[in-house]
Formats: sequence, C-alpha cells, structure tokens
Amino acid sequence: DIQMTQSPSTLSASVGDRVTITCRASQSILSWLAWYQQKPGKAPNLLIYRASGLQIGVPSRFSGSGSGTEFTLTITSLQPDDFATYYCQQYKTYPFTFGQGTKLDIK
Amino acid sequence: EVQLVESGGGLVQPGGSRRLSCAASGFTFRTYWMSWVRQAPGKGLEWVAFIKEDGSEKYYVDSVRGRFTISRDNARNSLSLQMSSLRAEDTAVYYCARWWHDAGYDHWGLGIRVTVSS
Repeated sequence: DIQMTQSPSTLSASVGDRVTITCRASQSILSWLAWYQQKPGKAPNLLIYRASGLQIGVPSRFSGSGSGTEFTLTITSLQPDDFATYYCQQYKTYPFTFGQGTKLDIK
Repeated sequence: EVQLVESGGGLVQPGGSRRLSCAASGFTFRTYWMSWVRQAPGKGLEWVAFIKEDGSEKYYVDSVRGRFTISRDNARNSLSLQMSSLRAEDTAVYYCARWWHDAGYDHWGLGIRVTVSS
C-alpha cells in the first residue's frame, strides 16, 4: 500500500497568516492527489483535485502543488473558517489512502 | 442537489453483522463510482471500499477484505455495505461518498456511527 505522510500533524497560526501543509507519498503517485478539509462532526470537503485543481466553490486562497511524491497545500491569508483538519489522499493505486491529517488551530 | 443519506448504524456485538445503506439522490447514480470511507473516534479517515458504476469491479482495504461486501442497486439509487465478523476496531463513523471522475470524493453523506462492543 502507498503510505501518505503529512507534516506537520498540528499547526498553529493566526488569521491572515499564510500556511503550508506537506504530504509525502511512499512512492510516486504522479498527480493523483486530493486534499480535503474536515471540521469537527462534519464530513470532509474536497478542496483540491489532481494535486493542483481547485474544486468549484473553494476560495482561491487555497492552492495545491507538487507531483511524484511531494505535495503541498497552501492557504494564503487564513480566515476564521479555515481552522480545521486537512487530509491528503492518493488515488494512484488501490487501496486509496489518506494522510493522517493536519490539524490547523488558532494561535 | 446531490444528497447521500446513510442508514443502518448502531451498536453491534463483536463477531456480529450489520448492513449499512446509502440512499443517493440529485444525480445520475449509475454513472458514478461510489465508496465507503470510515473514521474511528478521534482518528483520521480510512478508505474502506470502492465500487464501479455497474458493480463489476470492487476494491477493499486489506483490513476488511473477506468480511465486508460493497454492493449497489442502480435501479434504487442505493449503495450498501454488508459488514460481518465485526471487531472493536471497526467502530467508526461510516461515510458514503461519491467519486468524481479521477478527481476525488466530491460529495459525502453525513455519516453513520457503528459501534462494535459487548
């Protein structure tokens, strides 16, 4: 199975900050990577597909980049609504696997 | 509006069985791959099972293969997950999710809780 490792596991930031979350795959997944945001008690929400595609309705302050084994999710100018947990997911190979999550909280 | 509504959760004894269902509406169900994804209490997301539009291909995570069966009824716009030989580690919120053509899970249900405990 492809292992997905996110860093950091927890990130403290302030409104207006720019933050970056990294996701590393144990082998190349080309660009078959998605990013999700999840808030407590809610289902995940798709933010980014194919490593850098912005899902419809997602604010442009979210962006994704990378290919192969290293990927990043960047949020520019953090808003109060952005404090949540973020997951990457590879879909190059079954089983599709998620990273362990990065919790973004308020500093 | 796309809607996915899970049902069938609850408390199950270890070794027991449970069938989860997901009622889909607001889109052409038969043209989408569908999945079950779970989340144990306080833990991350775990991909569980995946089924092709016509049900001809199914994929599972190793930890449930042979115990869980994903199926669908395109005439009824329904997705199911038959779970057997349940273990404590299967305790989780189970989400039904729509796979958006090589892009990601673009719609999710609210989730249904399954607790495996004596």
